[in-house]
Amino acid sequence: QKEVEQNSGPLSVPEGAIASLNCTYSDRGSQSFFWYRQYSGKSPELIMSIYSNGDKEDGRFTAQLNKASQYVSLLIRDSQPSDSATYLCAVRVTGGGNKLTFGTGTQLKVEL
Amino acid sequence: SQTIHQWPATLVQPVGSPLSLECTVEGTSNPNLYWYRQAAGRGLQLLFYSVGIGQISSEVPQNLSASRPQDRQFILSSKKLLLSDSGFYLCARGNTGTPGGTDTQYFGPGTRLTVL
Repeated sequence: QKEVEQNSGPLSVPEGAIASLNCTYSDRGSQSFFWYRQYSGKSPELIMSIYSNGDKEDGRFTAQLNKASQYVSLLIRDSQPSDSATYLCAVRVTGGGNKLTFGTGTQLKVEL
Repeated sequence: SQTIHQWPATLVQPVGSPLSLECTVEGTSNPNLYWYRQAAGRGLQLLFYSVGIGQISSEVPQNLSASRPQDRQFILSSKKLLLSDSGFYLCARGNTGTPGGTDTQYFGPGTRLTVL
């Protein structure tokens, strides 16, 4: 079982819609969770981090964490074509110090 | 601001040739530094990380090595490249002096390596 799993997509949503990206993880003791956005050919850029159960909002982005169910999600409201990218979920696993384990990413396409 | 530089941006090397990729960080002292590789269609794989000068931890046994000769310089090397070494190499910095389990990582622009 992969430690961090994401649906590879592509996930297609129309412009203006809400995009919902999901990530599950296997280590129940994981404490820190991150979402990165990666445009084609570019390096990942940090969007959000979340550490506690519940929702965390930053502009059009909302991260949701449910440790009991071992999933973390990212909602993008009012999706724009510029949001089209691959979204990487990263988890800091128990006992891993500062090391992050990444999912393989979900490709998001926002269509006009 | 804290900036990460990586060079070269792209590199094409023959199998069996040596490799040296450099990462430098500006605007911070004693950062945690990380080397990742992203192979085509695959996730990010942590290769090495360093919490200070001369301190290197290796995550994956392979023909790569890393060194940190200066506080803000992190070098990835190989004596003989393999075809499987092709990929997108990313340097990341963490925060300074963060205790275990609390770091946030930010990536540099990356080096795209093709081994032929």
